[in-house]
Amino acid sequence: QKEVEQNSGPLSVPEGAIASLNCTYSDRGSQSFFWYRQYSGKSPELIMFIYSNGDKEDGRFTAQLNKASQYVSLLIRDSQPSDSATYLCAVNTNAGKSTFGDGTTLTVKP
Amino acid sequence: NAGVMQNPRHLVRRRGQEARLRCSPMKGHSHVYWYRQLPEEGLKFMVYLQKENIIDESGMPKERFSAEFPKEGPSILRIQQVVRGDSAAYFCASSPPAGARLVNTEAFFGQGTRLTVV
Repeated sequence: QKEVEQNSGPLSVPEGAIASLNCTYSDRGSQSFFWYRQYSGKSPELIMFIYSNGDKEDGRFTAQLNKASQYVSLLIRDSQPSDSATYLCAVNTNAGKSTFGDGTTLTVKP
Repeated sequence: NAGVMQNPRHLVRRRGQEARLRCSPMKGHSHVYWYRQLPEEGLKFMVYLQKENIIDESGMPKERFSAEFPKEGPSILRIQQVVRGDSAAYFCASSPPAGARLVNTEAFFGQGTRLTVV
């Protein structure tokens, strides 16, 4: 079992729809959870972090964390073509390194 | 406010040569992390360093790979006798000291070095 698992994708949604990206993790000691966006050939860009159970909203993005289920998700409302990218879920257990999922590729079709 | 600086951006090496990848962390950051990303895959942790110390090298291959973060200058990831399987994007991230972090652990990535072994 991978430490961090994401939907393999690719995920395709029409413009204006809600995109839902999911991530599960295996280590119950995980403390911090991150979503990165990575455009092809570019470096990861941090878009959301969450460390408490519940929802956290930032503009069109909402991160949801459920530690009991070891599940973290990212919702993108009113999806735009510019949101088309690979989304990486990262989990931090100790002070230091993060463990990344393999990413989910999202395509938003105009 | 310069971000994490990596150089070179692209590096081509022949099999058997050495590759040196450099990473200058953001100002005020004393922690550096190296990750490797193979095509169509996620980032894999390699090593975590503070100034003059290796904190966690659990992701480093046992042979040919080494990393350092000297008191002065950038962090260096060194790959000796490169093979084609070393071709990947290598990303460096940095973070502030623990007491200065907004959350455990925010890290900021450089633009990466894309290594191609021919």
